[in-house]
Amino acid sequence: GENVEQHPSTLSVQEGDSAVIKCTYSDSASNYFPWYKQELGKGPQLIIDIRSNVGEKKDQRIAVTLNKTAKHFSLHITETQPEDSAVYFCAATSGGGADGLTFGKGTHLIIQP
Amino acid sequence: ETGVTQTPRHLVMGMTNKKSLKCEQHLGHNAMYWYKQSAKKPLELMFVYSLEERVENNSVPSRFSPECPNSSHLFLHLHTLQPEDSALYLCASSQDRRSPLHFGNGTRLTVT
Repeated sequence: GENVEQHPSTLSVQEGDSAVIKCTYSDSASNYFPWYKQELGKGPQLIIDIRSNVGEKKDQRIAVTLNKTAKHFSLHITETQPEDSAVYFCAATSGGGADGLTFGKGTHLIIQP
Repeated sequence: ETGVTQTPRHLVMGMTNKKSLKCEQHLGHNAMYWYKQSAKKPLELMFVYSLEERVENNSVPSRFSPECPNSSHLFLHLHTLQPEDSALYLCASSQDRRSPLHFGNGTRLTVT
């Protein structure tokens, strides 16, 4: 089955700097890679996703890149703000969507004022 | 305001109790899920319902019993739980199984 590794487990950056979270996956058939943000006391919220037919996707300050050859994908957050502080989860599946998602263990992102 | 509502938000129960977790989705989705979230571990899929039919059961102990009476509601019935079952239980829904997941805010369960 799929195995997803996520690094780092904790990331502390200064407000205004960029943050990068990386994930690797094992199943070359995986074709859908979502990222979720979980704030304290809330459930995970989808913030961006990418499918295997593209290499990069952007949404304002958030971007995701995918390297299918190396089987890794990354979340990039630019101009970080205090409200970006949360736990971020990556996931992967060959099912194209919710089906068969395997999640990483999460990255606790801390934005220092 | 999430489109997936879970009640209660917090639950403390003894090992001999019987309780139920409730989930309601207001998104018109056709698939619903139960996930378990424990500290330092990835999200674990427990059950999947698609069009009210259970399509996946990931080797979950029988002390957890799901119920999906219609496409908008999902329950997780709990009985004779163990302390290691203490966790955040998340409900999610999706338009279909190839669409993105939408999560509720979870029920924090503590088994004493």
